Amino acid sequence: DIQMTQSPSTLSASVGDRVTITCRASQSISSWLAWYQQKPGKAPKLLIYKASILESGVPSRFSGSGSGTEFTLTISSLQPDDFATYYCQQYNSYSRTFGQGTKVEIK
Amino acid sequence: QVQLQESGPGLVKPSETLSLTCTVSAGSISSYYWSWIRQPPGKGLEWIGYMYHTGSSNYNPSLKSRVTISVDTSKNQFSLKLRSVTAADTAVYYCARDFSGLFDPWGQGTLVTVSS
Repeated sequence: DIQMTQSPSTLSASVGDRVTITCRASQSISSWLAWYQQKPGKAPKLLIYKASILESGVPSRFSGSGSGTEFTLTISSLQPDDFATYYCQQYNSYSRTFGQGTKVEIK
Repeated sequence: QVQLQESGPGLVKPSETLSLTCTVSAGSISSYYWSWIRQPPGKGLEWIGYMYHTGSSNYNPSLKSRVTISVDTSKNQFSLKLRSVTAADTAVYYCARDFSGLFDPWGQGTLVTVSS
């Protein structure tokens, strides 16, 4: 089974900050990685797929990069609406696996 | 636009079977894969499994022995059965369209508590 590890688990930042979240896979998943944003009491929302492709309607301040086993999600200038928990998810294999999540908090 | 809605009991007794249904509207279930995902209170997301309308399925190895996902194309619904539940199965359960491994859209989620 492919394991996904995110870091950090929690991140404190201010509006306007550049934020980077890392996701590592236990084996190569090529570019088969997605990022989701989840707000309290809501279902997750797809932000990025195939490591770097922005889902329609997602602000351009979000970007993704990486391939193989190491990936990053970057928010170029954190906005008030971006305080949430972010999950990576691999879909390389017939199985699907999520990272444990990164909570972005207000500093 | 496709919408999904979970339904089922909010309380299940330990050792019994958790049963949930996801109704798909504004789209046919006879395309795409369909998945169940859960989230224990205050914790992360766990993929449970998926099914295609033809009956092809795949489950999380950690749950495989207790899970069955089925599809009813006549009702545009798919269902989850999780047997022999314990308190560790208490979670918000989501259904989602599984588009080649991408989950979108999701249902709103339903909390299932395992307690006597």
